[in-house]
Amino acid sequence: NAGVTQTPKFQVLKTGQSMTLQCAQDMNHEYMSWYRQDPGMGLRLIHYSVGAGITDQGEVPNGYNVSRSTTEDFPLRLLSAAPSQTSVYFCASSLQGLVLETQYFGPGTRLLVL
Amino acid sequence: AQSVSQHNHHVILSEAASLELGCNYSYGGTVNLFWYVQYPGQHLQLLLKYFSGDPLVKGIKGFEAEFIKSKFSFNLRKPSVQWSDTAEYFCAVNAGTSYDKVIFGPGTSLSVIP
Repeated sequence: NAGVTQTPKFQVLKTGQSMTLQCAQDMNHEYMSWYRQDPGMGLRLIHYSVGAGITDQGEVPNGYNVSRSTTEDFPLRLLSAAPSQTSVYFCASSLQGLVLETQYFGPGTRLLVL
Repeated sequence: AQSVSQHNHHVILSEAASLELGCNYSYGGTVNLFWYVQYPGQHLQLLLKYFSGDPLVKGIKGFEAEFIKSKFSFNLRKPSVQWSDTAEYFCAVNAGTSYDKVIFGPGTSLSVIP
């Protein structure tokens, strides 16, 4: 198994541009989530999904969209990039909900918005 | 709202010294607690987790954590650190009626000097 994969590894955007961060897992996990990591603030949950076709907002959803058309993929879309979205983005997955399951994290995408 | 605080932003220890990293959370109900580690250049990995039962939890690589409900704390300990323990450590809490969200603390950076 490849586990959780993310592309791209690094991206530079100009303010106002849009882009999609890709996340895929091959473990047949139902639960997937997106976090952003900023210095001194830990990881903050952006959006999450408990299964295909179901998504919900986390702590900091503004400026981001998600969809879950398949179990394997959970893309994160930046609609109009802003410098405040400069961050490292992590995707994670777990077999089911979080009560008993461990989250597996991807390697991250570093995003710089100029 | 749930929150997680970690006492130290940066800890520097010599090899063989004992480690204790503090973690406090703000929720009065049932909680699930986690410690994650992020080694330099790597993605997050689960160190240990507490769901119920014995409040002293043992994890990988000789780490342990103690859940003290009366103090809303879940401190991480290791009796003797190694240079390879240099990493960022994150405490996380999953609580409330929704078990689909995990709130992370800001992280503690540990540097172990050989």
